Amino acid sequence: GPKVLQIPSHQIIDMGQMVTLNCDPVSNHLYFYWYKQILGQQMEFLVNFYNGKVMEKSKLFKDQFSVERPDGSYFTLKIQPTALEDSAVYFCASSSGAYAEQFFGPGTRLTVL
Amino acid sequence: QQKVQQSPESLIVPEGGMASLNCTSSDRNVDYFWWYRQHSGKSPKMLMSIFSNGEKEEGRFTVHLNKASLHTSLHIRDSQPSDSALYLCAAADTNAYKVIFGKGTHLHVLP
Repeated sequence: GPKVLQIPSHQIIDMGQMVTLNCDPVSNHLYFYWYKQILGQQMEFLVNFYNGKVMEKSKLFKDQFSVERPDGSYFTLKIQPTALEDSAVYFCASSSGAYAEQFFGPGTRLTVL
Repeated sequence: QQKVQQSPESLIVPEGGMASLNCTSSDRNVDYFWWYRQHSGKSPKMLMSIFSNGEKEEGRFTVHLNKASLHTSLHIRDSQPSDSALYLCAAADTNAYKVIFGKGTHLHVLP
């Protein structure tokens, strides 16, 4: 089936540093999402990106967070600066439509020390 | 306040049994529901979506939706140990730009 790739699978950084998480969505998909999950528990919505714009974001999407997908390349989540509470698994997802199935990547485990 | 509430938090059923999972939204603007399954250490995969009142069946899985009460349920018959996973209910309003997940139900199917 369709696959979403995420790079890297693990990232360890010091608090205050910048980190960029990369997502390679399904090729013909138009909607892109980032989610945060801590300890295999609740999947928390961060942001929805469509047509080059943030369509919706949650309170968890702090000012230190930003997303972009320049020229159809990777869909990225940048955190600058990072904080201890940013440690989590970040999942990227993509879908062909707003109501369509979201396909999730394998996640990037971010550890902020 | 949790906008998508799932119950029970944890469920144990014997192999071959029926598992019933519940999900309710407290947001009256919700129009769309999905059920995802996440095995430990893996990413979620959609099981079923339901957007209209009534019932939908795919193999051993059946979902119900009551839009008036914003309640959906997932039923798994002839449960298998491989069904052991975290089951996530997701909901969105008409725009569907923001998809809210519940905390999930941990299903354990005992061989």
